[in-house]
Amino acid sequence: DTEVTQTPKHLVMGMTNKKSLKCEQHMGHRAMYWYKQKAKKPPELMFVYSYEKLSINESVPSRFSPECPNSSLLNLHLHALQPEDSALYLCASNQNLAGPYNEQFFGPGTRLTVL
Amino acid sequence: AQSVTQPDIHITVSEGASLELRCNYSYGATPYLFWYVQSPGQGLQLLLKYFSGDTLVQGIKGFEAEFKRSQSSFNLRKPSVHWSDAAEYFCAVGAAETNAGKSTFGDGTTLTVKP
Repeated sequence: DTEVTQTPKHLVMGMTNKKSLKCEQHMGHRAMYWYKQKAKKPPELMFVYSYEKLSINESVPSRFSPECPNSSLLNLHLHALQPEDSALYLCASNQNLAGPYNEQFFGPGTRLTVL
Repeated sequence: AQSVTQPDIHITVSEGASLELRCNYSYGATPYLFWYVQSPGQGLQLLLKYFSGDTLVQGIKGFEAEFKRSQSSFNLRKPSVHWSDAAEYFCAVGAAETNAGKSTFGDGTTLTVKP
């Protein structure tokens, strides 16, 4: 299985809602990532987990809260988002952080719309 | 700090014509270079990667790229473009050892294929 799956595919939420994005991989990868991508722009790194521990937080607002319950699963909890947070949220995984040559495997993304 | 420049924001080619997408990088040590493709509304898919060795790298879908250290370039090529190649293409530099987990993406090149 060389796939990263993400659910849901689309999400529409109001600014007062609480929702979660889910990402799963079964490749035995020990590094997992959340990216935010606006239209016609490259992915912007948000968080990196390495061996289930938060390794990098790119100064992301606290309304985004990541969680890595186990080595296969990565969640992104959303609360009190703003319309400008509307974007494609991509999850990726990588064998581990020790090898910069390891390519990232990306999921299909969750298209988030904040009303 | 590492950086990636993709000089062409948008390229249009006719189906069956050859393609070259440019990528220039800035990196102090041995670069780890990647090309990803993203179809609309989808995640990123790795086309090919370079770490060392033969400077001409073969990838999936008939793509190849040539690493030229003297020019700090890693251009992507395809001899004959198919309509299904229309997509966004991102060049990326792998994370430096001191910046583990963070890859740097170029701004992307949008490829349009004319029938």
